Amino acid sequence: QKEVEQNSGPLSVPEGAIASLNCTYSDRGSQSFFWYRQYSGKSPELIMSIYSNGDKEDGRFTAQLNKASQYVSLLIRDSQPSDSATYLCAVNRVPGNQFYFGTGTSLTVIP
Amino acid sequence: ETGVTQSPTHLIKTRGQQVTLRCSSQSGHNTVSWYQQALGQGPQFIFQYYREEENGRGNFPPRFSGLQFPNYSSELNVNALELDDSALYLCASSLAGTGDETQYFGPGTRLLVL
Repeated sequence: QKEVEQNSGPLSVPEGAIASLNCTYSDRGSQSFFWYRQYSGKSPELIMSIYSNGDKEDGRFTAQLNKASQYVSLLIRDSQPSDSATYLCAVNRVPGNQFYFGTGTSLTVIP
Repeated sequence: ETGVTQSPTHLIKTRGQQVTLRCSSQSGHNTVSWYQQALGQGPQFIFQYYREEENGRGNFPPRFSGLQFPNYSSELNVNALELDDSALYLCASSLAGTGDETQYFGPGTRLLVL
């Protein structure tokens, strides 16, 4: 079983719609969770982190964490063509140590 | 821009050669992690350095080695290059001990092994 699993997509949504990205992780002791966005040929850039159960909102982005279900999600409201990228879910099992990444979900926002 | 820099940006080597990649961490950060990202995959953890000591290692052979310097910059060395080593190598810096575990990535070094 992989540490972190994501639906590789591709996921296509029309401009202005809500994009929903999902991630599951295998280690119930995982403590911190991150969403990164990666444009083709570029390095990952942080969208947001979440440490506690529930929702965390930052602008058009909302991260949701459910530790009981070992599930993390990212919602992108009012999707824009510039949101078209690969979204990586990362999990940190031990504070200060390595991140485990999923393979990423490719998102295309259609104008 | 994260403030993490890497050099070189691109590199072409032949099988069997050795390569050194460099990373300067974001100002104030004390921890550097290295990742390998193959095409279409998520980053895979190679190792991490904290206070000039290796602080964790992923499933990579010993020919992958590293260093961290007193100014927290770091090097990744790969000996006896293989074709499968062709990938994007990412350096990430963070600040240990603050409760914020976020890792900030540099632009990466794209290595091609022929």
